[in-house]
Amino acid sequence: DTAVSQTPKYLVTQMGNDKSIKCEQNLGHDTMYWYKQDSKKFLKIMFSYNNKELIINETVPNRFSPKSPDKAHLNLHINSLELGDSAVYFCASSQRQSPEEKLFFGSGTQLSVL
Amino acid sequence: AQSVTQLGSHVSVSEGALVLLRCNYSSSVPPYLFWYVQYPNQGLQLLLKYTTGATLVKGINGFEAEFKKSETSFHLTKPSAHMSDAAEYFCAVERGYQKVTFGTGTKLQVIP
Repeated sequence: DTAVSQTPKYLVTQMGNDKSIKCEQNLGHDTMYWYKQDSKKFLKIMFSYNNKELIINETVPNRFSPKSPDKAHLNLHINSLELGDSAVYFCASSQRQSPEEKLFFGSGTQLSVL
Repeated sequence: AQSVTQLGSHVSVSEGALVLLRCNYSSSVPPYLFWYVQYPNQGLQLLLKYTTGATLVKGINGFEAEFKKSETSFHLTKPSAHMSDAAEYFCAVERGYQKVTFGTGTKLQVIP
């Protein structure tokens, strides 16, 4: 069974479109995250949710809106997609809101904006 | 502020040879340090972590890393490389509450 699953795996779309990436974890974790990995492999945190509550919101354009319907799901909605949004987006989760907690990652969603 | 520097974006070793992947960090407070591995088309997996206590940390798949405060380093080593170790390795530092900063990664190639 996949611990952290995200869909779709690949997403190709035109500039200006709105798209969503879904993430689900079956680990019973309290905390979920979205990370963005750019073409240079730099991995940067975007958002963190703990029990459906937004904890971390790094400097991310407000075109990006996370939504957590329950603590097992954290979806990422992106409005008015731009070329610079092309990247691999990773969902992750951890047991608790603690700095030494292990992160469990999904396999990534490769977003290509044309 | 905390940051992570990984020296060498690509490292090649022969099968059976020592693996050494370098990581230096800057931190204003004692850090939590991590190594993650990313296999092709997969998410990152935790290899090992240092929080407190013993400075030599053992992880999965025979990897280990030593926290050296005087050198601000957390290099990853494995005595004998295996073909299955070919992957990308990311060093990371806890940047504050739940904020993990990753290095830019080192791609390890293992030559038969």
